[in-house]
Amino acid sequence: QSALTQPASVSGSPGQSVTISCTGTITTFTTYNLVSWYQHHPGKAPKLIISEANKRPSGISDRFSGSKSGATASLTISGLQAEDEAVYYCCSYADTDSFDKLFGGGTYLAVL
Amino acid sequence: QVQLVQSGAEMKKPGASVRVSCKASGYTFGTSDINWVRQATGQGLEWMGWMNPDSGDASYARKFHGRLSMSTNTSITTAFMDLSSLTSEDTAIYYCSRGAWLELLDYWGQGTLVTVSS
Repeated sequence: QSALTQPASVSGSPGQSVTISCTGTITTFTTYNLVSWYQHHPGKAPKLIISEANKRPSGISDRFSGSKSGATASLTISGLQAEDEAVYYCCSYADTDSFDKLFGGGTYLAVL
Repeated sequence: QVQLVQSGAEMKKPGASVRVSCKASGYTFGTSDINWVRQATGQGLEWMGWMNPDSGDASYARKFHGRLSMSTNTSITTAFMDLSSLTSEDTAIYYCSRGAWLELLDYWGQGTLVTVSS
C-alpha cells in the first residue's frame, strides 16, 4: 500500500519553530489538498489541527500552520511551548474514489 | 456540540472477539461516516475502516478482512466495531471518529483500551 512518510522525531526549544514533513505518492495526496494533521498526546484522543493542508479548525492556535507543494505537506509549529510535545500525524485519502484513509507513521515532537 | 462516547476497557483472551461501541450526539447521525482507528502499544495510528449509518456502506482495511465487522443502530445513534480471532497484536486503544469530506476525521471518541492476554 502507498505510504505517507514522516520523520520519526523532531525537536526544538521553547519559542523556536519546527516543521514536520509528510511525503506521499498517492494521487489524491499529490493532486489535491485533502491532507489533515492531528496532534496526539498520550492517553488522549487525537485532535484535528489542520485540514485541507492549510486550514485551521476553530479554536486551534495560529501557531500551527500547514502548507503543501506537490507530494509534500508540511506542518509548522511556531513559538514552541511545552504543551506542544506530542506525536503529530498526517492523514490523506488512500485512493481516488475512496473514503479509505491513510496515516503517516507519526512524528514525535520533543520540546527541549 | 458533537460528541462521540465509547464503551469501557475490555480484557479478552486470545481467540476471542470484542465489541466496542461509539455513541454519537450533537449532529445528524446518518449524515456522516463513522471511522475506526487504532493505536497498538508503541505504534502509530492505524485506520481500520468506515461505515455509513444511513446507507450501510462500509469499507475495511485489507489487513482486517474477515475479522472486522462494523455496524450501526440509528435508533440509538451508536456505531459498533467487532473484531474477532484476537491475538496479542490486537492489544491497542481503539478510537471511533466522525468522517468528513474535507477534514477527513474531525471528531474523535475518547478511546477504548482492548487488552488481549491469556
